[in-house]
Amino acid sequence: DIQMTQSPSSLSASVGDRVTITCRASQSITPYLQWFQQKPGTAPKVLIYTTSTLQSGVPSRFSGSGSGTDFTLTISSLQPEDFATYYCQQSSRTPLTFGGGTKVEI
Amino acid sequence: EVQLVESGGGLVQPGGSLRLSCAASGFTFSSYAMSWVRQAPGKGLEWVSGIVDSGGSTYYADSVKGRFTISRDNSKNTLYLQMNSLRVEDTAVYFCAKARATIGISTQEWGQGTLVTVSS
Repeated sequence: DIQMTQSPSSLSASVGDRVTITCRASQSITPYLQWFQQKPGTAPKVLIYTTSTLQSGVPSRFSGSGSGTDFTLTISSLQPEDFATYYCQQSSRTPLTFGGGTKVEI
Repeated sequence: EVQLVESGGGLVQPGGSLRLSCAASGFTFSSYAMSWVRQAPGKGLEWVSGIVDSGGSTYYADSVKGRFTISRDNSKNTLYLQMNSLRVEDTAVYFCAKARATIGISTQEWGQGTLVTVSS
Protein backbone atom coordinates (compact mmCIF):
# COMPACT_ATOMS: atom_id res chain seq x y z
CA ASP A 1 0.00 0.00 0.00
CA ILE A 2 1.11 3.58 -0.64
CA GLN A 3 1.71 5.45 2.60
CA MET A 4 0.89 9.16 2.74
CA THR A 5 2.75 11.29 5.28
CA GLN A 6 1.27 14.71 5.85
CA SER A 7 2.85 17.57 7.81
CA PRO A 8 2.37 19.36 10.03
CA SER A 9 -0.42 17.56 11.92
CA SER A 10 -1.63 20.93 13.17
CA LEU A 11 -0.76 24.58 12.84
CA SER A 12 -1.84 27.90 14.25
CA ALA A 13 -2.22 30.81 11.88
CA SER A 14 -3.87 34.18 11.57
CA VAL A 15 -6.22 35.60 8.98
CA GLY A 16 -4.14 36.80 6.05
CA ASP A 17 -1.28 34.35 6.64
CA ARG A 18 0.20 32.21 3.90
CA VAL A 19 -0.14 28.56 4.87
CA THR A 20 1.66 25.57 3.39
CA ILE A 21 0.86 21.90 4.04
CA THR A 22 3.01 19.12 2.66
CA CYS A 23 2.30 15.53 1.76
CA ARG A 24 4.82 12.83 0.93
CA ALA A 25 3.98 9.52 -0.71
CA SER A 26 5.95 6.32 -0.20
CA GLN A 27 6.23 5.94 -3.99
CA SER A 28 5.60 8.03 -7.07
CA ILE A 29 1.93 8.88 -7.54
CA THR A 30 2.08 11.69 -10.08
CA PRO A 31 -0.38 13.21 -10.81
CA TYR A 32 -2.98 11.39 -8.68
CA LEU A 33 -2.92 13.54 -5.58
CA GLN A 34 -6.01 15.24 -4.14
CA TRP A 35 -6.55 17.72 -1.30
CA PHE A 36 -9.72 17.76 0.81
CA GLN A 37 -11.06 20.20 3.38
CA GLN A 38 -13.26 18.98 6.22
CA LYS A 39 -15.12 21.04 8.80
CA PRO A 40 -16.54 19.44 11.95
CA GLY A 41 -19.65 17.35 11.39
CA THR A 42 -19.52 17.62 7.62
CA ALA A 43 -18.28 15.49 4.73
CA PRO A 44 -14.88 16.20 3.19
CA LYS A 45 -14.92 18.52 0.21
CA VAL A 46 -12.41 18.27 -2.61
CA LEU A 47 -10.33 21.41 -3.13
CA ILE A 48 -7.74 20.26 -5.65
CA TYR A 49 -7.45 17.12 -7.78
CA THR A 50 -4.67 15.66 -9.90
CA THR A 51 -2.08 17.70 -7.98
CA SER A 52 -2.98 21.20 -9.13
CA THR A 53 -6.47 21.39 -10.69
CA LEU A 54 -8.78 23.60 -8.67
CA GLN A 55 -12.25 22.14 -8.13
CA SER A 56 -15.00 24.33 -9.52
CA GLY A 57 -16.16 26.88 -6.97
CA VAL A 58 -13.03 26.70 -4.82
CA PRO A 59 -11.39 30.10 -4.23
CA SER A 60 -8.18 30.82 -6.11
CA ARG A 61 -6.27 31.40 -2.87
CA PHE A 62 -5.96 27.59 -2.76
CA SER A 63 -3.29 26.04 -4.96
CA GLY A 64 -1.54 22.71 -5.26
CA SER A 65 1.82 21.69 -6.64
CA GLY A 66 4.30 18.87 -6.65
CA SER A 67 5.35 15.77 -8.48
CA GLY A 68 6.67 12.30 -7.87
CA THR A 69 6.36 11.80 -4.14
CA ASP A 70 6.26 15.36 -2.76
CA PHE A 71 3.23 17.62 -2.89
CA THR A 72 2.11 20.90 -1.39
CA LEU A 73 -1.17 22.67 -0.65
CA THR A 74 -0.85 26.43 -0.29
CA ILE A 75 -3.43 28.89 0.99
CA SER A 76 -2.14 32.28 -0.10
CA SER A 77 -4.12 34.40 2.36
CA LEU A 78 -5.97 32.51 5.09
CA GLN A 79 -9.60 33.48 5.53
CA PRO A 80 -11.86 32.83 8.55
CA GLU A 81 -13.77 30.13 6.67
CA ASP A 82 -10.52 28.22 5.97
CA PHE A 83 -10.07 27.05 9.55
CA ALA A 84 -10.62 23.31 9.10
CA THR A 85 -8.79 20.01 8.72
CA TYR A 86 -7.06 19.25 5.43
CA TYR A 87 -6.26 15.81 4.03
CA CYS A 88 -4.20 14.67 1.09
CA GLN A 89 -5.15 11.50 -0.77
CA GLN A 90 -3.54 9.40 -3.47
CA SER A 91 -5.65 7.72 -6.14
CA SER A 92 -2.77 6.29 -8.15
CA ARG A 93 -3.63 2.77 -7.05
CA THR A 94 -5.93 0.93 -4.71
CA PRO A 95 -6.23 0.96 -1.81
CA LEU A 96 -6.67 4.71 -1.96
CA THR A 97 -4.87 6.20 1.01
CA PHE A 98 -5.09 9.45 2.94
CA GLY A 99 -2.62 11.49 4.88
CA GLY A 100 -3.20 11.83 8.59
CA GLY A 101 -4.65 15.33 8.28
CA THR A 102 -3.60 18.87 9.17
CA LYS A 103 -5.77 20.86 11.53
CA VAL A 104 -5.54 24.59 10.81
CA GLU A 105 -6.45 26.59 13.90
CA ILE A 106 -6.57 30.23 14.82
CA GLU B 1 -26.69 18.49 -8.90
CA VAL B 2 -25.04 15.34 -7.60
CA GLN B 3 -26.77 13.91 -4.54
CA LEU B 4 -25.56 10.95 -2.50
CA VAL B 5 -27.69 9.88 0.45
CA GLU B 6 -26.44 7.15 2.74
CA SER B 7 -28.69 5.08 4.98
CA GLY B 8 -28.65 1.89 7.02
CA GLY B 9 -26.34 2.87 9.84
CA GLY B 10 -27.10 2.15 13.47
CA LEU B 11 -26.06 0.26 16.57
CA VAL B 12 -24.97 -3.34 16.15
CA GLN B 13 -23.27 -5.83 18.46
CA PRO B 14 -19.78 -7.15 17.76
CA GLY B 15 -19.99 -10.04 15.33
CA GLY B 16 -23.20 -8.68 13.82
CA SER B 17 -24.05 -7.53 10.32
CA LEU B 18 -25.34 -4.37 8.70
CA ARG B 19 -26.02 -3.26 5.14
CA LEU B 20 -25.47 0.31 4.12
CA SER B 21 -27.09 1.89 1.08
CA CYS B 22 -26.24 5.00 -0.90
CA ALA B 23 -28.92 6.44 -3.16
CA ALA B 24 -27.45 8.46 -6.01
CA SER B 25 -29.05 11.09 -8.21
CA GLY B 26 -28.08 13.98 -10.46
CA PHE B 27 -25.65 12.02 -12.64
CA THR B 28 -25.43 8.88 -14.76
CA PHE B 29 -24.76 6.45 -11.92
CA SER B 30 -23.85 3.55 -14.20
CA SER B 31 -20.94 5.51 -15.71
CA TYR B 32 -18.93 6.12 -12.53
CA ALA B 33 -16.96 4.09 -10.06
CA MET B 34 -18.06 4.48 -6.47
CA SER B 35 -16.36 4.10 -3.11
CA TRP B 36 -17.03 3.85 0.61
CA VAL B 37 -14.82 5.85 2.97
CA ARG B 38 -15.08 5.82 6.75
CA GLN B 39 -14.03 8.05 9.62
CA ALA B 40 -13.83 6.77 13.18
CA PRO B 41 -14.81 9.28 15.87
CA GLY B 42 -12.14 11.97 16.14
CA LYS B 43 -9.90 10.20 13.61
CA GLY B 44 -8.83 10.59 10.00
CA LEU B 45 -10.25 9.24 6.76
CA GLU B 46 -9.93 5.62 5.67
CA TRP B 47 -10.93 4.37 2.22
CA VAL B 48 -12.83 1.12 2.69
CA SER B 49 -13.87 -0.19 -0.71
CA GLY B 50 -14.43 0.71 -4.34
CA ILE B 51 -16.37 -0.69 -7.28
CA VAL B 52 -16.09 0.08 -10.97
CA ASP B 53 -19.01 1.39 -13.03
CA SER B 54 -20.19 -2.02 -14.25
CA GLY B 55 -19.73 -3.69 -10.88
CA GLY B 56 -17.34 -6.12 -12.50
CA SER B 57 -14.35 -5.27 -10.31
CA THR B 58 -14.23 -4.52 -6.60
CA TYR B 59 -11.45 -3.41 -4.29
CA TYR B 60 -11.04 -3.46 -0.51
CA ALA B 61 -8.82 -2.19 2.26
CA ASP B 62 -7.01 -4.98 4.07
CA SER B 63 -8.84 -4.05 7.27
CA VAL B 64 -12.22 -5.14 5.82
CA LYS B 65 -11.26 -7.74 3.21
CA GLY B 66 -13.26 -10.92 3.67
CA ARG B 67 -15.82 -9.23 5.94
CA PHE B 68 -17.30 -6.44 3.81
CA THR B 69 -18.80 -6.69 0.33
CA ILE B 70 -19.43 -3.75 -1.97
CA SER B 71 -22.06 -3.98 -4.68
CA ARG B 72 -24.25 -1.78 -6.82
CA ASP B 73 -27.59 -1.89 -8.59
CA ASN B 74 -27.33 0.39 -11.60
CA SER B 75 -31.07 -0.02 -12.32
CA LYS B 76 -31.80 1.50 -8.90
CA ASN B 77 -28.91 4.01 -8.83
CA THR B 78 -27.86 2.54 -5.51
CA LEU B 79 -24.55 1.52 -3.95
CA TYR B 80 -24.36 -0.98 -1.11
CA LEU B 81 -21.92 -2.09 1.55
CA GLN B 82 -22.66 -5.40 3.27
CA MET B 83 -20.74 -5.51 6.53
CA ASN B 84 -20.38 -8.83 8.34
CA SER B 85 -18.41 -9.92 11.42
CA LEU B 86 -18.41 -6.35 12.66
CA ARG B 87 -15.81 -5.29 15.19
CA VAL B 88 -15.70 -2.43 17.68
CA GLU B 89 -13.02 -0.82 15.52
CA ASP B 90 -15.47 -0.61 12.59
CA THR B 91 -17.34 2.11 14.47
CA ALA B 92 -17.28 5.14 12.19
CA VAL B 93 -19.21 7.46 9.95
CA TYR B 94 -19.40 5.80 6.54
CA PHE B 95 -19.45 8.05 3.47
CA CYS B 96 -20.18 7.03 -0.08
CA ALA B 97 -18.28 8.88 -2.78
CA LYS B 98 -18.52 9.28 -6.53
CA ALA B 99 -15.47 9.15 -8.77
CA ARG B 100 -14.32 12.25 -10.58
CA ALA B 101 -14.21 10.72 -14.05
CA THR B 102 -15.66 7.76 -15.85
CA ILE B 103 -12.32 5.98 -15.60
CA GLY B 104 -10.60 5.01 -12.38
CA ILE B 105 -11.40 4.91 -8.70
CA SER B 106 -11.45 8.29 -6.98
CA THR B 107 -13.57 10.16 -4.44
CA GLN B 108 -14.68 13.48 -5.86
CA GLU B 109 -18.14 14.02 -4.41
CA TRP B 110 -19.35 12.72 -1.09
CA GLY B 111 -22.59 12.05 0.74
CA GLN B 112 -23.17 13.27 4.28
CA GLY B 113 -22.47 9.89 5.85
CA THR B 114 -24.20 7.39 8.08
CA LEU B 115 -22.99 6.42 11.56
CA VAL B 116 -22.25 2.80 12.38
CA THR B 117 -21.69 1.98 16.03
CA VAL B 118 -20.44 -1.47 16.98
CA SER B 119 -20.85 -2.02 20.69
CA SER B 120 -22.22 -4.53 23.16
